[in-house]
Amino acid sequence: ETGVTQTPRHLVMGMTNKKSLKCEQHLGHNAMYWYKQSAKKPLELMFVYNFKEQTENNSVPSRFSPECPNSSHLFLHLHTLQPEDSALYLCASSQDGASGYGYTFGSGTRLTVV
Amino acid sequence: AQSVTQLGSHVSVSEGALVLLRCNYSSSVPPYLFWYVQYPNQGLQLLLKYTSAATLVKGINGFEAEFKKSETSFHLTKPSAHMSDAAEYFCAVSDQSGGSNYKLTFGKGTLLTVNP
Repeated sequence: ETGVTQTPRHLVMGMTNKKSLKCEQHLGHNAMYWYKQSAKKPLELMFVYNFKEQTENNSVPSRFSPECPNSSHLFLHLHTLQPEDSALYLCASSQDGASGYGYTFGSGTRLTVV
Repeated sequence: AQSVTQLGSHVSVSEGALVLLRCNYSSSVPPYLFWYVQYPNQGLQLLLKYTSAATLVKGINGFEAEFKKSETSFHLTKPSAHMSDAAEYFCAVSDQSGGSNYKLTFGKGTLLTVNP
């Protein structure tokens, strides 16, 4: 178990649906991240939260809405998605100020938009 | 600013052969360097890391990497490939400042195929 848990592991949703992805970390970290990984594309950093505050939003469309209620939980709310949003969504966490430890990743949510 | 270049998006080796995955970095400050492995439909798992102690770093599953400052490289090697090593490998760099919002910058990944 990696210490970062993502649910669900797989999600199929229609373009008009609303769904949420959940990420929970049990490592005492205070920074959390959402990444998008599409086939044959590099990892794309979407959002960064540090001590529950959003510190980075890499021009992500508004149909993706993150929420970080506390340092242990991170959500990604999805609505009116497009087929090109189908991808593996990865959550990661890290300890602020401890750059030598890197990030700890969850297993990801495989999202398919139909 | 820091960056990572992984030479070769796809590397194919025979089972039992040497594995060499190349990574070059750019950083204005002393770096921390990482290799991650990703199996299909899984997250990224830390393979090994360099944090300014020994320049030759040993990781899990028989992998090792050597930090060469003069060449700004951190290549990943394994003497003998196993079928289970087939996966995608990512090199990453962060700086040693340890400040808030430190960033991990990833390379584009190298897909390793192992042929029987």
